Amino acid sequence: NAGVMQNPRHLVRRRGQEARLRCSPMKGHSHVYWYRQLPEEGLKFMVYLQKENIIDESGMPKERFSAEFPKEGPSILRIQQVVRGDSAAYFCASSPSGAWGQYFGPGTRLTVT
Amino acid sequence: KQEVTQIPAALSVPEGENLVLNCSFTDSAIYNLQWFRQDPGKGLTSLLLIQSSQREQTSGRLNASLDKSSGRSTLYIAASQPGDSATYLCAGAREGNTPLVFGKGTRLSVIA
Repeated sequence: NAGVMQNPRHLVRRRGQEARLRCSPMKGHSHVYWYRQLPEEGLKFMVYLQKENIIDESGMPKERFSAEFPKEGPSILRIQQVVRGDSAAYFCASSPSGAWGQYFGPGTRLTVT
Repeated sequence: KQEVTQIPAALSVPEGENLVLNCSFTDSAIYNLQWFRQDPGKGLTSLLLIQSSQREQTSGRLNASLDKSSGRSTLYIAASQPGDSATYLCAGAREGNTPLVFGKGTRLSVIA
């Protein structure tokens, strides 16, 4: 059973470009969470999704950021018109239904130049 | 609003020592608590998960406890090894399938 997969592992974008981060949850997991880790800071929740639904997006900036988890395929975190402050590690986690904890992917490290 | 604090922020110990990492949370309505390990530039590895109905969990040289009434959890590492050097994070969930609230971590260095 493969773990949570994220790609790309490293992404470099110029200011103003778009960044697309992908997350494939563990097999059998229907819940996906995105977190962001800024340099020297803790992990902060961004958005929680189930298939085709956003359950909680309270941690996601209202502008430029969006997330989806389609019926088929990976979850996508999209950042439009990136700025230097978006440079961070973005982690995806998945969990099965119930309270069995969350399992994290290796992260995507976004650098905005 | 749940806040999670980890003390100390950094810890350096000689190999072989037993050590305790502390985690405190402000909202006792916590459903479960997870301890993670993060190596530099890497993802998070789940170490232990404690449900609110449990008091502790053990895995090898690791033991984690949870005291909801005092708002505290501890991670005990026995006979530390240089390979244990990493940042240890605790995180709590208010209910099943809700986002985790993380502490900032304890950076552990085990010196050979």
